[in-house]
Amino acid sequence: AQRVTQPEKLLSVFKGAPVELKCNYSYSGSPELFWYVQYSRQRLQLLLRHISRESIKGFTADLNKGETSFHLKKPFAQEEDSAMYYCALTVSSGGSNYKLTFGKGTLLTVNP
Amino acid sequence: NAGVTQTPKFRVLKTGQSMTLLCAQDMNHEYMYWYRQDPGMGLRLIHYSVGEGTTAKGEVPDGYNVSRLKKQNFLLGLESAAPSQTSVYFCASSQLAEAQHFGDGTRLSIL
Repeated sequence: AQRVTQPEKLLSVFKGAPVELKCNYSYSGSPELFWYVQYSRQRLQLLLRHISRESIKGFTADLNKGETSFHLKKPFAQEEDSAMYYCALTVSSGGSNYKLTFGKGTLLTVNP
Repeated sequence: NAGVTQTPKFRVLKTGQSMTLLCAQDMNHEYMYWYRQDPGMGLRLIHYSVGEGTTAKGEVPDGYNVSRLKKQNFLLGLESAAPSQTSVYFCASSQLAEAQHFGDGTRLSIL
């Protein structure tokens, strides 16, 4: 079974500092990986997915199949980046069923 | 275009009561999902559906039932609510392996 691990429950940085939110996964096939963000008391929103290779709000994430990691990075954190971040993995579970497995999340706080 | 709409937004129940959470999507997505979000646990999949008339169990299905009578609606039912079901419930929809779109959530407290 697939699993997503976010080793840090809490991460606190100062404004302007670099930030890296770690995500490791276990799956023997070729997964699709996502980062979702949830601002305080709001719905989850897609931040980025690995196949698009986009940079959203200054965040990037590179899939490292050798290390089975998909870490989220931003060179200069902003206060508005404070949120809960979830790494997620989707795989086809027989036929065309696609289920999303979430990590437990990392709460990022960016201090002024 | 509302996306994914959940009703109600808040509800307080007594142990043993029943209720249904409603989820509606207007994006013509095939797949719909119900998750619960608990502190320190992330999001856990309760049930999901890959099309009208189909449902399947997720990671934590016990105590819940679902129905997908219409493509745009996915209902989550609690037959006999228990305090352990106090949580924030999120509905989501997606088209195949595309990103999931989430609703605003339903905060459910069971006393």
